[in-house]
Amino acid sequence: QKEVEQNSGPLSVPEGAIASLNCTYSDRGSQSFFWYRQYSGKSPELIMSIYSNGDKEDGRFTAQLNKASQYVSLLIRDSQPSDSATYLCAVDPQTGANNLFFGTGTRLTVIP
Amino acid sequence: DTGVSQNPRHKITKRGQNVTFRCDPISEHNRLYWYRQTLGQGPEFLTYFQNEAQLEKSRLLSDRFSAERPKGSFSTLEIQRTEQGDSAMYLCASSLTPSVDNEQFFGPGTRLTVL
Repeated sequence: QKEVEQNSGPLSVPEGAIASLNCTYSDRGSQSFFWYRQYSGKSPELIMSIYSNGDKEDGRFTAQLNKASQYVSLLIRDSQPSDSATYLCAVDPQTGANNLFFGTGTRLTVIP
Repeated sequence: DTGVSQNPRHKITKRGQNVTFRCDPISEHNRLYWYRQTLGQGPEFLTYFQNEAQLEKSRLLSDRFSAERPKGSFSTLEIQRTEQGDSAMYLCASSLTPSVDNEQFFGPGTRLTVL
């Protein structure tokens, strides 16, 4: 069973603060990890991907990966109200289909 | 550059009817995935195509579901004899392989409501 667990939330942060979203996964063979943002009623939008241990930064977003701990996180700096959405962690277990396994998502609200 | 498109965006049908959804992937992408998402859950894998070949199907994909990608471009997902439990958002995603990252890009989805 390939499981992806996310902190349940909901998470509320004030505008300008750092939002921290966490995800753990069960399949130690997983190699690729993704964060998607999903606004209510819309489809998931890819915002970050990470494959190597350590940090990867893209603008206000930083993804962190620790394969030994089977843990991946997303930090959003200077949070804006427009960041209010559900954030989905997805894991590619590198099986034949390369289909993604998703967590249930963490709902983030940024309070103006 | 156009992204993944899906039609229709919404479909309301009565139980027992057949429905068909279409997905047009990003033009150069050779892999196409179908996922289903219900409220409060993450997307769940249904099936995928490498070019025109359907290579894997999830156990979630009952015999009432069939998918095709006849020329390796657009794909259709048909649900026969719909049930209320089929109500969900049906998402299509595409990716380019081989690639290092297998980034998958989703279309806007088709929201199915079965009455």
